[in-house]
Amino acid sequence: AQKVTQAQTEISVVEKEDVTLDCVYETRDTTYYLFWYKQPPSGELVFLIRRNSFDEQNEISGRYSWNFQKSTSSFNFTITASQVVDSAVYFCALSESNTGGFKTIFGAGTRLFVKA
Amino acid sequence: SQTIHQWPATLVQPVGSPLSLECTVEGTSNPNLYWYRQAAGRGLQLLFYSVGIGQISSEVPQNLSASRPQDRQFILSSKKLLLSDSGFYLCAWSVRSGAEAFFGQGTRLTVV
Repeated sequence: AQKVTQAQTEISVVEKEDVTLDCVYETRDTTYYLFWYKQPPSGELVFLIRRNSFDEQNEISGRYSWNFQKSTSSFNFTITASQVVDSAVYFCALSESNTGGFKTIFGAGTRLFVKA
Repeated sequence: SQTIHQWPATLVQPVGSPLSLECTVEGTSNPNLYWYRQAAGRGLQLLFYSVGIGQISSEVPQNLSASRPQDRQFILSSKKLLLSDSGFYLCAWSVRSGAEAFFGQGTRLTVV
């Protein structure tokens, strides 16, 4: 069965600190997709990244980086030199191929506070 | 470019009243459409998805229904609201299954 665990409910950091948001997933499918979304206080979810199960390359986009490790079923997200504007709830999500890719399961989210 | 519109932004409805939330997508054809609900402090729960006009799949038994009367229009409805229907409702679209989803601004529904 699909499952996404974001064990960190809330994280508080001071501006310019690096922070890593953890995501552990469970799936029996060999083909699946992983996502990260950001939900700022306005409420709208913003897509950050998509990874398929065959692409374990880490990715860097500006201050954001993602570490995908199939061996530990983890897809962690690191923000380098955090800024106040990074304060938001971040969701990790999983979509399995054997369910047609329609049933995207979201983790409970990690609320990040970045203090000036 | 593609955009998604969802309205209203907030809604306060009495128990037992009907509900209709509307979502429209612009700039794309034959999108997959989704309705999610987010309870306070929780993750998103998929309620319905649609791969085409008139095609609706329900993920959880509930007091709500969905319809897709046009290619880029998705409607969430209820005949009689319950207190437990309160929450933040998000509409989303994707170009295909397994692709990233793009979300509307959400509707905060309070049933009183």
